[in-house]
Amino acid sequence: GAGVSQSPSNKVTEKGKDVELRCDPISGHTALYWYRQSLGQGLEFLIYFQGNSAPDKSGLPSDRFSAERTGGSVSTLTIQRTQQEDSAVYLCASSYQPSYEQYFGPGTRLTVT
Amino acid sequence: QKEVEQNSGPLSVPEGAIASLNCTYSDRGSQSFFWYRQYSGKSPELIMFIYSNGDKEDGRFTAQLNKASQYVSLLIRDSQPSDSATYLCAVNRGGSYIPTFGRGTSLIVHP
Repeated sequence: GAGVSQSPSNKVTEKGKDVELRCDPISGHTALYWYRQSLGQGLEFLIYFQGNSAPDKSGLPSDRFSAERTGGSVSTLTIQRTQQEDSAVYLCASSYQPSYEQYFGPGTRLTVT
Repeated sequence: QKEVEQNSGPLSVPEGAIASLNCTYSDRGSQSFFWYRQYSGKSPELIMFIYSNGDKEDGRFTAQLNKASQYVSLLIRDSQPSDSATYLCAVNRGGSYIPTFGRGTSLIVHP
């Protein structure tokens, strides 16, 4: 079946612009996670959704970052007023239930110039 | 002490050998354990998950969990050059839905 998809695959933006990253989880997966991975670094948790609710958004680095999920499916991560330190690969993962194994999308590589 | 620790490597093994990757965790209440493979420039790919003490085998891969000693291992039999990647260990602490990922071990399988 279809896996997790993310769009765009690459995004280059100028400092100060807003960006939206999209994630389509595996159909039927109730839990959705956003992570960030900088070059050569580990996975950094950003936010977790159960259905449309975000019980844990403790990993969001600043109030410039926000995310929503609609219809228990698609999620959008929005970064306002992007900074160069926001440059990273943003990964989305979904799981059938929370604490189950996660399946990752291909990621969005964000470059802020 | 970090919550999930892995030796960063690189671990270098010859083709056909057994590669042994180890991961230790600090929370005794941890309940779910996962191994992911990540090729350079790609996203993590699930290899194995294990919940109970003991061994779990899937093809050339075996996950071993020892909750008393707080470690989980991944064995790769008959290692192939295509197994060369970074292997991430992830652990779900009891009561948490957010897995903690280790920094990963780089594996190099040389012909």
